[in-house]
Amino acid sequence: KAGVTQTPRYLIKTRGQQVTLSCSPISGHRSVSWYQQTPGQGLQFLFEYFSETQRNKGNFPGRFSGRQFSNSRSEMNVSTLELGDSALYLCASTRDFQNTEAFFGQGTRLTVV
Amino acid sequence: GENVEQHPSTLSVQEGDSAVIKCTYSDSASNYFPWYKQELGKRPQLIIDIRSNVGEKKDQRIAVTLNKTAKHFSLHITETQPEDSAVYFCAAASGGSYIPTFGRGTSLIVHP
Repeated sequence: KAGVTQTPRYLIKTRGQQVTLSCSPISGHRSVSWYQQTPGQGLQFLFEYFSETQRNKGNFPGRFSGRQFSNSRSEMNVSTLELGDSALYLCASTRDFQNTEAFFGQGTRLTVV
Repeated sequence: GENVEQHPSTLSVQEGDSAVIKCTYSDSASNYFPWYKQELGKRPQLIIDIRSNVGEKKDQRIAVTLNKTAKHFSLHITETQPEDSAVYFCAAASGGSYIPTFGRGTSLIVHP
């Protein structure tokens, strides 16, 4: 069974640009969550999608947005990039909305210059 | 919302020693407490989890304890080995949101 796949693995963008990251969950998993990981801040929750609907959202500005497609694949978009957006962005998929194991992707390393 | 505090941020031990990482949570509705291990350059992976109806759970050299009254839960690793070196994250999730809130992580270093 293929794991959670995130693309691209690395991105370098300039301040002010926008970026789109992609996450393909494990087959059969319908919930996808996104996290921002920075040194010392741990894993900060961005948002979660289930069956194409955003069910939960973390405390991030509106520049961060996402969506989920009918095949459960998810994208997140960051507009007007700032230097502080440089981070590892991880997505995780779970089978459903019960408290079960979240499987993480390898992440996308975003560097804003 | 939920707030998870994790201590220490760095833990250095000698091979063979035990390591303990402690977390506290704020939301009394939280009922699921997973622990993830993230090795350098790799994705976080679940190593053990506990639910609120259980006080302790063991899996070989690792164990997790939960004190619901005090809102504390801890990870215990015995007979540490160099391959245990990683960042460990605790998390808490409630039946309401099902989204785990993570602690800031503990960098465990096991010296041979």
